[in-house]
Amino acid sequence: DVKVTQSSRYLVKRTGEKVFLECVQDMDHENMFWYRQDPGLGLRLIYFSYDVKMKEKGDIPEGYSVSREKKERFSLILESASTNQTSMYLCASSLFSGTHGMAIYFGEGSWLTVV
Amino acid sequence: AQSVAQPEDQVNVAEGNPLTVKCTYSVSGNPYLFWYVQYPNRGLQFLLKYITGDNLVKGSYGFEAEFNKSQTSFHLKKPSALVSDSALYFCAQNTGFQKLVFGTGTRLLVSP
Repeated sequence: DVKVTQSSRYLVKRTGEKVFLECVQDMDHENMFWYRQDPGLGLRLIYFSYDVKMKEKGDIPEGYSVSREKKERFSLILESASTNQTSMYLCASSLFSGTHGMAIYFGEGSWLTVV
Repeated sequence: AQSVAQPEDQVNVAEGNPLTVKCTYSVSGNPYLFWYVQYPNRGLQFLLKYITGDNLVKGSYGFEAEFNKSQTSFHLKKPSALVSDSALYFCAQNTGFQKLVFGTGTRLLVSP
């Protein structure tokens, strides 16, 4: 089974802090994603990466950055956390597929509260 | 931009009755469509996908989905609901470049 592990399930951070959310997958997937989930808004893509050191902005990249130094690891960085970044963050991964038919697999999520 | 609509915020059904969770997608050449389920405080789990072929797709936990090209719909169904099916369900469409766009989710409540 695919395993996507998010190291922190619950975090509480102060406004202005720098926050790192870490994600590791064990299936040698090329693609990795960070989504944000908010009630009534569904999942919104923040950033994705299709290879080591490669990244692409998603729909809501403002206030976030990412790092992918190794294939299995994809980090989401909040440079200066703000209260409107309080949310559930979901990491996901998938194989690269020319048919676009590959399912993506999610981690358990990280609940971030910014106070 | 491609989009996915889930018109119902919540669906209520009694245990043992059939359930349907609705989804419509925006038109594209060959839609790649997915259903995911999320249990409380958990990540999303893959249920099933439509790529091509039969319009009725079978997935995990007894769920199936019916693809209807003329109505641009991909409704999730189950013949007999269980209380344990209560969860949040997301429909998604692949927009190309390996990305999925998700609907806003439908909460399914199955009463005993």
